[in-house]
Amino acid sequence: DIQLTQSPSFLSASVGDRVTITCRASLDINRYLAWYQQKPGKAPNLLIYDVSTLQSGVPSRFSGSGSGTEFILTISSLQPEDFATYYCHQLNSYPPLTFGGGTKVEI
Amino acid sequence: QITLKESGATLVKPTQTLTLTCTFSGFSLTSSGEGVGWIRQPPGKALEWLALIYWDADKRYSPSLRNRLSITKDTSKNQVVLTMTNMDPVDTATYYCAHRRWSTSPFDYWGQGTLVTVSS
Repeated sequence: DIQLTQSPSFLSASVGDRVTITCRASLDINRYLAWYQQKPGKAPNLLIYDVSTLQSGVPSRFSGSGSGTEFILTISSLQPEDFATYYCHQLNSYPPLTFGGGTKVEI
Repeated sequence: QITLKESGATLVKPTQTLTLTCTFSGFSLTSSGEGVGWIRQPPGKALEWLALIYWDADKRYSPSLRNRLSITKDTSKNQVVLTMTNMDPVDTATYYCAHRRWSTSPFDYWGQGTLVTVSS
């Protein structure tokens, strides 16, 4: 199984901050890495796939980068609606498909 | 517009079998590349993938739960059904179904989720 380790698990930030979240894979997953945002009581929402491709409708302040085993989600200027939990997800090798443990971004 | 919605029992007793139905619209599971998966999330915890079924009836399961899971599709009703046997309180979670297209694509549309509680 490919394990995904996200860091940090919790992140305290303010509106306007630049935020970065790291996802490390236990094996090379090529470019098959996606990021989701989840708000309390809601389903995850796809933000980015193939490492850096922005899903339609997602604001440009979100960006993704990385390759191989290390990936980064960046929010260039945190907005009030961005306070949520973020998950990375690998699609390179399955079963099983795996998700990271999540990063909660809070004030 | 793709939509998915989960339905089924919200309270099951330990050892019982859970049956969940995902009813979807906006795509067909007879079209090449289309797939529907199930993912769960225990309260306050991370997402866990359970199973996938594709348009060609290819099925994939989480290895850790494979012996308890079954996924089927009814293309005439636009439904995917997940059954999980021998339920335990640790299976208490919100269960989501989600759409994906092709084997290296993410889950791009999700249902709202249904909370399943396992308790006697």
